[in-house]
Amino acid sequence: GQNIDQPTEMTATEGAIVQINCTYQTSGFNGLFWYQQHAGEAPTFLSYNVLDGLEEKGRFSSFLSRSKGYSYLLLKELQMKDSASYLCAVMDSNYQLIWGAGTKLIIKP
Amino acid sequence: EADIYQTPRYLVIGTGKKITLECSQTMGHDKMYWYQQDPGMELHLIHYSYGVNSTEKGDLSSESTVSRIRTEHFPLTLESARPSHTSQYLCASSPMGYETGELFFGEGSRLTVL
Repeated sequence: GQNIDQPTEMTATEGAIVQINCTYQTSGFNGLFWYQQHAGEAPTFLSYNVLDGLEEKGRFSSFLSRSKGYSYLLLKELQMKDSASYLCAVMDSNYQLIWGAGTKLIIKP
Repeated sequence: EADIYQTPRYLVIGTGKKITLECSQTMGHDKMYWYQQDPGMELHLIHYSYGVNSTEKGDLSSESTVSRIRTEHFPLTLESARPSHTSQYLCASSPMGYETGELFFGEGSRLTVL
C-alpha cells in the first residue's frame, strides 16, 4: 500500500530552526509537496520538489531524496505565526496526491 | 489569493437528512476535488472531476455523490447523513495540465450529524 510518515508533533523556540521529516512509499512518484494548515483553516501550498536536492523559498526550504523516499521541510527564523500543521503529500503514478497526517508544529516564545 | 468558496461553513443536522455542500471557484480551473479531513488525520479524497460532466470516485466515495454541470460549481451530496459523516469537508481546485500539484482550497465545511 501507499504510505506517508511524518512526526505527529514537534516543538521549537521562536527564532530557531526546525526540520520536519517525511518518508514515503508510493506507487510511482510525480513530485512531493508541502502544505501549511493553520488550525481551523484550509491548507495552503508551500513547496514542490520533483528532482533531488534543496529548494529554497525565503525562510522555508524543502529537500528531496527520491532514492531514499525522504523529504524534509526546513523552517528558519521561526515566528509565532509558523505554529501550524505541515502536511507532506506525494503525487503518485496516477497523478493523485497521497497525504500524510501532518506534523503539528508548536512555537514557544 | 484563491477564489474558491464553500457553503455552509458549519452545519449541524440530524441523522437521515439529505445535505448538499456547495463549492464554487472563479478561477476557471478544470480540476476540482472533495476531501474529508478529521482532526490530526490525513486528507482523504472523496470525489474529483477533470472538467464538465466528468466525475471520478476517490477513496471514500461510496456514501456521497457529486455533479459537475458547470466548470465553476462542484456540489457534494450526502443522501442520508449518519454520525460517521461528522467531519470537515474541503473543496479544492487546480488548472488542467498543471501537474505541480498546487491545489487551491476552500475554507471548508464542518459537518456535525447528531
